Amino acid sequence: QVQLVQSGAEVKKPGSSVKVSCKASGGTFRTDAVSWVRQAPGQGLEWLGGIIPLFGSANYAQRFQGRVTIIADESTSTTSMELSSLRSEDTAVYYCARGGVGASKSFDYWGQGTLVTVSS
Amino acid sequence: QSALTQPASVSGSPGQSITISCTGTSSDVGGYNYVSWYQQHPGKAPKLMIFDVSYRPSGVSNRFSGSKSGNTASLTISGLQAEDEADYYCSSYTSSNTLRVVFGGGTKLTVL
Repeated sequence: QVQLVQSGAEVKKPGSSVKVSCKASGGTFRTDAVSWVRQAPGQGLEWLGGIIPLFGSANYAQRFQGRVTIIADESTSTTSMELSSLRSEDTAVYYCARGGVGASKSFDYWGQGTLVTVSS
Repeated sequence: QSALTQPASVSGSPGQSITISCTGTSSDVGGYNYVSWYQQHPGKAPKLMIFDVSYRPSGVSNRFSGSKSGNTASLTISGLQAEDEADYYCSSYTSSNTLRVVFGGGTKLTVL
């Protein structure tokens, strides 16, 4: 059974950066795509980007290009997402999910979510 | 503004059937058979209910079915149960050079 376990909640100041991690187990880390999806309070889902560890480079949604970085560490089966230049509108629950890039276009397993609060 | 259009809310009584629509363009829903549907209960992560337009993952009830016609995909839930009350989101692969995945704005299903 695939499991994705995310790091804990964060509170950040505007202009700073946040890094959220997602540790995978039960799948095939090198070839499983992992995407990051966020959900602002009371709002819908939004895809930020995704990576297939085997290939190394990530795909990003253009509106986050330059602000988001997604990396994968095979030694720890962990994918991380860093978002910089934070503003209040980035306050959201951030989910990692398997799929979204490459052959798998749907998200079949999700992490538990990480609340990121941006506040001065 | 979401890339895919869903009704904000739908409702039905136990035992009835409901359908949620998801309208996109020829660059996403209409161009590919990569529409997925997700169920989300309050405070929980989304759960995959339908993938590739009409396929159910193992463990998902056969009361859930998906279809597509042109640029509009649909999720039908038959034999409504109280536990089906949740938010439902559609998503699609997109050939847009600014995205790979687009979501709908979500539909709140109320079981009366």
